[in-house]
Amino acid sequence: GAGVSQSPSNKVTEKGKDVELRCDPISGHTALYWYRQSLGQGLEFLIYFQGNSAPDKSGLPSDRFSAERTGGSVSTLTIQRTQQEDSAVYLCASSLGSSGSYEQYFGPGTRLTVT
Amino acid sequence: GQQVMQIPQYQHVQEGEDFTTYCNSSTTLSNIQWYKQRPGGHPVFLIQLVKSGEVKKQKRLTFQFGEAKKNSSLHITATQTTDVGTYFCAGPRYNFNKFYFGSGTKLNVKP
Repeated sequence: GAGVSQSPSNKVTEKGKDVELRCDPISGHTALYWYRQSLGQGLEFLIYFQGNSAPDKSGLPSDRFSAERTGGSVSTLTIQRTQQEDSAVYLCASSLGSSGSYEQYFGPGTRLTVT
Repeated sequence: GQQVMQIPQYQHVQEGEDFTTYCNSSTTLSNIQWYKQRPGGHPVFLIQLVKSGEVKKQKRLTFQFGEAKKNSSLHITATQTTDVGTYFCAGPRYNFNKFYFGSGTKLNVKP
């Protein structure tokens, strides 16, 4: 079946502009994660959604970052007033459940470049 | 706070040599997962370890979970160029909804 998809694959934006990144998880997956990966670095947790529960936003680096998940499926990550340090690959992952025992399926990521 | 450290950061080996990466957590983990990210790609799940002292093998890859469930290792026997990539360990936070990924070990295999 289809895996996790993300769009756009690449986004170049000017400093100060807002951007929206989209994630389509695998159908039936109730848990959805957003991560940020800077060049050559590890994965930085941003936010987690599980079903209809309140999201865990503890990883969001500033109030310029927000995310929502509509209907328990598609998610969008919004970055307002982008800064150059926001440049990174943003990865979305989904899993069958909220327990840490489920493997995460990652999308191809969105490469964001802020000029 | 909980941290997952991974060493080494980089490893360059000649094809056929062995490779090991180590993962250490500051707190006890309920389970640990390993992922591989090829250059330019996204992380792909390799395996999960749950039990204290557990050892699992996948062909040339051997995964271990420490007795105290605070550390883990991935060992590759006789590396091949297809093993090139970054290997991450990941452990869930106590309430399972936040995963801590290690910083990764980047493996380069020279043919």
